[in-house]
Amino acid sequence: RKEVEQDPGPFNVPEGATVAFNCTYSNSASQSFFWYRQDCRKEPKLLMSVYSSGNEDGRFTAQLNRASQYISLLIRDSKLSDSATYLCVVNGRNTGKLIFGQGTTLQVKP
Amino acid sequence: SAVISQKPSRDICQRGTSLTIQCQVDSQVTMMFWYRQQPGQSLTLIATANQGSEATYESGFVIDKFPISRPNLTFSTLTVSNMSPEDSSIYLCSVPGSPAYNEQFFGPGTRLTVL
Repeated sequence: RKEVEQDPGPFNVPEGATVAFNCTYSNSASQSFFWYRQDCRKEPKLLMSVYSSGNEDGRFTAQLNRASQYISLLIRDSKLSDSATYLCVVNGRNTGKLIFGQGTTLQVKP
Repeated sequence: SAVISQKPSRDICQRGTSLTIQCQVDSQVTMMFWYRQQPGQSLTLIATANQGSEATYESGFVIDKFPISRPNLTFSTLTVSNMSPEDSSIYLCSVPGSPAYNEQFFGPGTRLTVL
């Protein structure tokens, strides 16, 4: 079983749609959780950290469920520029080691 | 976040040769990380580069194949030795962000193709 699992998609949605990505992780001792965005042929860029209480940044909302070892990302009012691969990332036990999911590809169409 | 640069940005190399990738950060950092992203795959940590000590390698990666240098707190190199086509990947360095959240910030990557 992979340490971090995501549905690879692709998710094809129209502009303005709301889309949700899910991610599960296997190590219950994991301490930090993130969503990164990776555009084609570019490096991953931090989209948002995921806090235990959940957090929102504009159109993006992240949720963490420690009991179920589950992380989600909700994107509202999708834009064409949101098209990218979204990586669920977990940092276990403050080791500095990031574990990446395989990524979920989003295509927002006009 | 730190500004990170990598050289070269891309290279095409022959089987059996070696390539050294440089990573430069605009601020001092205690740890630097090297990742590999194979075609169509996500990122995998190769090793953690610590200044003043040997790098710490992840399972499946060895120093003879991926020697790392960390001469100071702003610079590191990763060498891909005795390359084969299976080494064709993007190689990325990263540095830690805030101690509170343990996020990392990535350099632009080096795209390596081995023929």
